[in-house]
Amino acid sequence: AQSVTQLGSHVSVSEGALVLLRCNYSSSVPPYLFWYVQYPNQGLQLLLKYTSAATLVKGINDFEAEFKKSETSFHLTKPSAHMSDAAEYFCAVTLISGGYQKVTFGIGTKLQVIP
Amino acid sequence: DVKVTQSSRYLVKRTGEKVFLECVQDMDHENMFWYRQDPGLGLRLIYFSYDVKMKEKGDIPEGYSVSREKKERFSLILESASTNQTSMYLCATRRRDRVDQPQHFGDGTRLSIL
Repeated sequence: AQSVTQLGSHVSVSEGALVLLRCNYSSSVPPYLFWYVQYPNQGLQLLLKYTSAATLVKGINDFEAEFKKSETSFHLTKPSAHMSDAAEYFCAVTLISGGYQKVTFGIGTKLQVIP
Repeated sequence: DVKVTQSSRYLVKRTGEKVFLECVQDMDHENMFWYRQDPGLGLRLIYFSYDVKMKEKGDIPEGYSVSREKKERFSLILESASTNQTSMYLCATRRRDRVDQPQHFGDGTRLSIL
């Protein structure tokens, strides 16, 4: 069975500060991992994805994430928060299960950026 | 860019009504998905379809059905709406058999059942 745990349903940072959103997964096989962002009243958009090519993945808007197999983690970071980063962020894992591609999402982390 | 269009952004219906939510995509993707999103619960998969006329139950199919008569259209049906089905509903698509590919989402339908 696979699962995704996002630690912290709400995170607040000051503008210009480091953003760190945590994601841990459980999977018996190598996973494909994704981070999505959801702005208010919109659907989810892809930020970045891990597909085993490189452990450090760079995404849009200066976000990046590092896959750490030993820690089963895929934390999302950004060096300097911007007001426009205020949104909800979802970590997701995709595996082949029963012949289908099963996607499991975390519960999401709402990021607040304080001026 | 993939475009996934959900027919309504906001919808208000009454208990017991039959409700149709429509999703249309323009990228010829085989896989289509319906999720509901609730605070504190994240996204939960209701149904998915891996091709025309094919459907599979997700994690919470009770009270819902789906229809996929054409590749570009995937409909979610609430057979007899209840207040606990008030939620945000998201449609998504993905190319078949590409585990490394992301899903592409519509903007969602916020459904209220009174």
